[in-house]
Amino acid sequence: GENVEQHPSTLSVQEGDSAVIKCTYSDSASNYFPWYKQELGKRPQLIIDIRSNVGEKKDQRIAVTLNKTAKHFSLHITETQPEDSAVYFCAQPPANTDKLIFGTGTRLQVFP
Amino acid sequence: KAGVTQTPRYLIKTRGQQVTLSCSPISGHRSVSWYQQTPGQGLQFLFEYFSETQRNKGNFPGRFSGRQFSNSRSEMNVSTLELGDSALYLCASSLANGYGYTFGSGTRLTVV
Repeated sequence: GENVEQHPSTLSVQEGDSAVIKCTYSDSASNYFPWYKQELGKRPQLIIDIRSNVGEKKDQRIAVTLNKTAKHFSLHITETQPEDSAVYFCAQPPANTDKLIFGTGTRLQVFP
Repeated sequence: KAGVTQTPRYLIKTRGQQVTLSCSPISGHRSVSWYQQTPGQGLQFLFEYFSETQRNKGNFPGRFSGRQFSNSRSEMNVSTLELGDSALYLCASSLANGYGYTFGSGTRLTVV
C-alpha cells in the first residue's frame, strides 16, 4: 500500500530543546526515506535521508532513525533554533516508482 | 548546476479557462513529478513522468493532464478551471526511485 502517517501535526518547543517527528509507512518494499523542510513561502528542500541498510544517520543537529520491523522512521532535531521553524514532511517512494508519497506534514515552531 | 525551473511563478485565471504550467528538470534527471499544495494541506501527488511516459497518476479528475518531452521538460495542463484549483503547483525531478528528489519553486495559481 501507499500510505505514510506523520505525527504530530504541530509541535512547539523552546529554543534549545529537542524535537522528534515520527512517520509510519505501509509499503514494506520501500528502501529510501527522506525528510523535507519547507519554510514559509519556499519550496520543500531535502534535509536528510536514510537508506534501509542503516538504522541511523546524523548530520550536525539533525538525525533520522529507521525501524524497518515496526515500519517507522523518525526525524530528530537537537538544540533547536528559531530558524528550524518550518513544516517538515517525511516521504517514501513506493517500490518501482520515481514518485514520493508524502506525510501530512508537521509544523514546528521554536520559541526563543 | 541549474535547479528545477518552473514557469510562470504566478498566474491568475478565471473560472472555466485552461492553464499550462512548465517544468524544466535538473540536467540528467529523467523523472518529473507534479504535486498540488493547498493552504493547510500536504503535498498531493498529481502524476509522474519518465522518458515521456506517464508512469503514475494521483486521484485527480481528468481535467488535470500532463506530458513530458524528449528533453525531459514537462508540462501540466488544467482545463475548465475551478476555484478549488487555486494552489501552489510544484514540480520535482529525480534520478531514479525518488533519490535526489529536488523541487522547483512552484507556480502559484489563483483562480477567480
